[in-house]
Amino acid sequence: EIVLTQSPGTLSLSPGERATLSCRASQSVSSNYLAWYQQKPGQAPRLLIYGAFTRATGIPDRFSGSGSGTDFTLTISRLEPEDFAVYYCQQYGRSTFFGGGTKVEIK
Amino acid sequence: QVQLVESGGGVVQPGRSLRLSCAASGFTFSSYAIHWVRQAPGKGLEWVAVISYDGSNKYYADFVKGRFTISRDKSKNTLYLQMNSLRAEDTAVYYCARDFPPGIRWNYILDFWGQGTLVSVSS
Repeated sequence: EIVLTQSPGTLSLSPGERATLSCRASQSVSSNYLAWYQQKPGQAPRLLIYGAFTRATGIPDRFSGSGSGTDFTLTISRLEPEDFAVYYCQQYGRSTFFGGGTKVEIK
Repeated sequence: QVQLVESGGGVVQPGRSLRLSCAASGFTFSSYAIHWVRQAPGKGLEWVAVISYDGSNKYYADFVKGRFTISRDKSKNTLYLQMNSLRAEDTAVYYCARDFPPGIRWNYILDFWGQGTLVSVSS
């Protein structure tokens, strides 16, 4: 089982600022099988990024993914009001596990 | 447009059973593997089970093996989750989610999700 640790737990930022979210795996993620999801209160998760850096259909280019091996990053270049939410990383391949989430809140 | 609509949640006593449904529309249901993912109140996401595009293959998280059964009905474009021997720790919102891309083997990339149905296990 690969354990994903997301940091920070909470990120307090203002609209227009840059957000950098980290996802660290307990062992190397094969083939960069790493995805990111956004979840707003009372809503289902939404796929943002898969394959570590490929944006899902309709996702704005202010969202970008990077990293490899055990360290991955989701970057939101300039926060829009609708971006304040919880973000989860997910490792997939033979099985799948999610990280504990990072909440991006308005400062 | 792609839609997944879950139903069947509710309050149930420990040890009892419940069957969840997920009605799909807006895409070729028989081409996609579908998953169940759950989220306990105030907690993170937890993958539960997956079924292949044709129903021939299924895979479960260890914590539900032997208790939950995933199935699908092609004629009704509907996915099911039969949950037996329910425990308090099964309390969660249960989401169905489509696997991406379509194909013989699932990939665990979840590109569309339903809004979820709440299951509460309590005496």
